Amino acid sequence: GESVGLHLPTLSVQEGDNSIINCAYSNSASDYFIWYKQESGKGPQFIIDIRSNMDKRQGQRVTVLLNKTVKHLSLQIAATQPGDSAVYFCAESNQAGTALIFGKGTTLSVSS
Amino acid sequence: GAGVSQSPSNKVTEKGKDVELRCDPISGHTALYWYRQSLGQGLEFLIYFQGNSAPDKSGLPSDRFSAERTGGSVSTLTIQRTQQEDSAVYLCASSFSGRAGYNEQFFGPGTRLTVL
Repeated sequence: GESVGLHLPTLSVQEGDNSIINCAYSNSASDYFIWYKQESGKGPQFIIDIRSNMDKRQGQRVTVLLNKTVKHLSLQIAATQPGDSAVYFCAESNQAGTALIFGKGTTLSVSS
Repeated sequence: GAGVSQSPSNKVTEKGKDVELRCDPISGHTALYWYRQSLGQGLEFLIYFQGNSAPDKSGLPSDRFSAERTGGSVSTLTIQRTQQEDSAVYLCASSFSGRAGYNEQFFGPGTRLTVL
């Protein structure tokens, strides 16, 4: 199944389902957004990014959607696999373009 | 190829002691970033280096925190007179060029600091 809505700290899905992870960002002037995946004991790993002049971008099994009107970002993972279990963070570029501002993260648990 | 490396992987220290954390960025990356991640939280920006430009220190939480980057490569984050609230994972990242807005940051595995 899918879960759509406001930011949730945890999301549990069955293997093969589609997952949707949501994120709200703060700065309407942000021009770059990125999703990272962090497995336990490791640093964050890049998944996909999107610039503000786009509203959708697709990668391999992942899609990022950007709604600038409501300052909302989402990550869709198709056919979720157990290896997708991790914490997912959205991030936006700060105004100076010198760093990323990270959200709180959503823990995705995939059961087989 | 080699990614971002950090050392030590774990550091346990006593309150009041100074600690140094090291980061080796990916070769050729001109930008280097330090972040802090407290347990169960997102990443908090600390400092940013880009080439020979003055670093952006706006994220450093207090004057006990400092960082330097020698020769445009290796960076050291120093925390003086450590406090228990400094306990966290300290993550380093590097990117090919400086603008965080348009370049993927590659993260190291982090240094887990525990202050007793």
